[in-house]
Amino acid sequence: EPEVTQTPSHQVTQMGQEVILRCVPISNHLYFYWYRQILGQKVEFLVSFYNNEISEKSEIFDDQFSVERPDGSNFTLKIRSTKLEDSAMYFCASSEGRYTDTQYFGPGTRLTVL
Amino acid sequence: AQSVTQPDIHITVSEGASLELRCNYSYGATPYLFWYVQSPGQGLQLLLKYFSGDTLVQGIKGFEAEFKRSQSSFNLRKPSVHWSDAAEYFCAVGGRSGGSNYKLTFGKGTLLTVNP
Repeated sequence: EPEVTQTPSHQVTQMGQEVILRCVPISNHLYFYWYRQILGQKVEFLVSFYNNEISEKSEIFDDQFSVERPDGSNFTLKIRSTKLEDSAMYFCASSEGRYTDTQYFGPGTRLTVL
Repeated sequence: AQSVTQPDIHITVSEGASLELRCNYSYGATPYLFWYVQSPGQGLQLLLKYFSGDTLVQGIKGFEAEFKRSQSSFNLRKPSVHWSDAAEYFCAVGGRSGGSNYKLTFGKGTLLTVNP
């Protein structure tokens, strides 16, 4: 069964450093998403992406964040200058269509900012 | 704004017992409702979803959920719990939020412990 994959599974970085989290969505899916879950808190929507542009972003998704689909298979989340409060589990998801289509989630990348 | 409340942070049941996990939502129109399960170190796996039609939906692993519009609820049930069901369960509501796409809003999750 096709699945969303994410790399790395765990990333440790120093505050102020840039990190790139990578995702490979399911191959025929057209809509892509990033969510995050700070330890002990809810899973929160960050951004959705379609047709090579951001469809929607939350207020969390400030100028420090960016997303890109650099090729036909990868979908990346970049944090330019990490802060301690960026430490969280980051989930990538994809869906075939919108509205009624199910979002399929990857296993997540745990980001630890020291 | 859409929101989801899962009133129970942690539930413990005995193997073989029945299970009901509560979920209440707030959404201005007809919601799309989901239950996801997360095992340790794993991603979020979809258990079931409700979009329209029959208010009782069946999912994987023997789970079902009932949409009750009058109570704004979407509770998850299983008649007989197995030890492998121990995990964290998330209820989510989706819907159009003004853009050309839609986002999921999650509850805080309910951690299920199963005693032998």
